[in-house]
Amino acid sequence: GAVVSQHPSRVICKSGTSVKIECRSLDFQATTMFWYRQFPKQSLMLMATSNEGSKATYEQGVEKDKFLINHASLTLSTLTVTSAHPEDSSFYICSARDAGSPAGEQYFGPGTRLTVT
Amino acid sequence: QKEVEQNSGPLSVPEGAIASLNCTYSDRGSQSFFWYRQYSGKSPELIMFIYSNGDKEDGRFTAQLNKASQYVSLLIRDSQPSDSATYLCAFYTGTASKLTFGTGTRLQVTL
Repeated sequence: GAVVSQHPSRVICKSGTSVKIECRSLDFQATTMFWYRQFPKQSLMLMATSNEGSKATYEQGVEKDKFLINHASLTLSTLTVTSAHPEDSSFYICSARDAGSPAGEQYFGPGTRLTVT
Repeated sequence: QKEVEQNSGPLSVPEGAIASLNCTYSDRGSQSFFWYRQYSGKSPELIMFIYSNGDKEDGRFTAQLNKASQYVSLLIRDSQPSDSATYLCAFYTGTASKLTFGTGTRLQVTL
């Protein structure tokens, strides 16, 4: 199956600093990538949809100035959590939609566990 | 009515039995349906997708889609303890390009 990588897998940062997370589709092109957040024992929450070469579309309640998304190529999207606070500590997961598949299946990266101290 | 309904479980089945997971949806315009498996602390993993009425088999997994009744199910034959996880159904609603996920059914396969 298609592979999506995410880096870093785990990061600890101090309150007020910024953290960048990278998401790459390794063996397919992804015109659309998605960023999710998941708190312990809760459902996936879609944060934003990222289309290559255009601005991301944020879900209601997600601050676009705090969660900066860049999708500069067909295989790379980045999420930057700016001025992180302890409440931003969560499991961040990206997914990429296979542009070449008629079903449009999405493949998830392994996730990034962010801890803000 | 919720867009997608899944029984949260836990669904407990003995090892070797068939596990049956169900999902109902409200949008008749939905075209493609997906089943993901998520282990605790890990990201979701795509198991199967289906977009035609009927059954689709892949190894021990069978996805079933009934658009008239608006449900999709996943059967796991010869269940193994390693199948213990949360299973999420998902689909595209109407013309939306993003997936709508169910809240997931937690499956426990007991020895």
